[in-house]
Amino acid sequence: TQTVSQSDAHVTVFEGDSVELRCNYSYGGSIYLSWYIQHHGRGLQFLLKYYSGNPVVQGVNGFKAEFSKSDSSFHLRKASVHWSDSAVYFCAVSANTGANTGKLTFGHGTILRVHP
Amino acid sequence: GGIITQTPKFLIGQEGQKLTLKCQQNFNHDTMYWYRQDSGKGLRLIYYSITENDLQKGDLSEGYDASREKKSSFSLTVTSAQKNEMAVFLCASSPANTGQLYFGEGSKLTVL
Repeated sequence: TQTVSQSDAHVTVFEGDSVELRCNYSYGGSIYLSWYIQHHGRGLQFLLKYYSGNPVVQGVNGFKAEFSKSDSSFHLRKASVHWSDSAVYFCAVSANTGANTGKLTFGHGTILRVHP
Repeated sequence: GGIITQTPKFLIGQEGQKLTLKCQQNFNHDTMYWYRQDSGKGLRLIYYSITENDLQKGDLSEGYDASREKKSSFSLTVTSAQKNEMAVFLCASSPANTGQLYFGEGSKLTVL
């Protein structure tokens, strides 16, 4: 069984600031990690994923995340945020084992507020 | 590109009523999912289906039925609506054996 924890329920920054949204997971096997964004009243949209190779993965809109096996982490970062980045961000984990790969376990989400 | 269409967007029912949510996708994806999202919480998997006529239970399947009548559609039935299950239900699809899900905009359930 895999679990995922997002330690910050809310993060508030100003436009142009950098931001890091934290995600820690627990799972002993081959893992698939991803981040999703949810704007108010909308469905989730995929941002990026990691399952092997380079631990730093680039996503859409300048987002990137870094996988760390030693820290059991997959933190999301952006160098300079825009007000339109205000949304809820979900970290997700699954077992990278064929048909189970899409069976995601989600964190509770981090609400990012970007002040103009 | 494709789209996931969930109907209805808002569903109001009475306690004890049987209610059905529908989902259509035109990505031609093999796998489809139903997640429940409660306010301030993450998403929890109710049912998923890896191909037509397949059904797999998620962590929250009790009180729900699902049906994958054809590859493009996946419906979810709340067998007896309860007030504590007012939530947003999200349908998603993905290609086989990947974790990149494409979500619909959600169906908000209110139980009176």
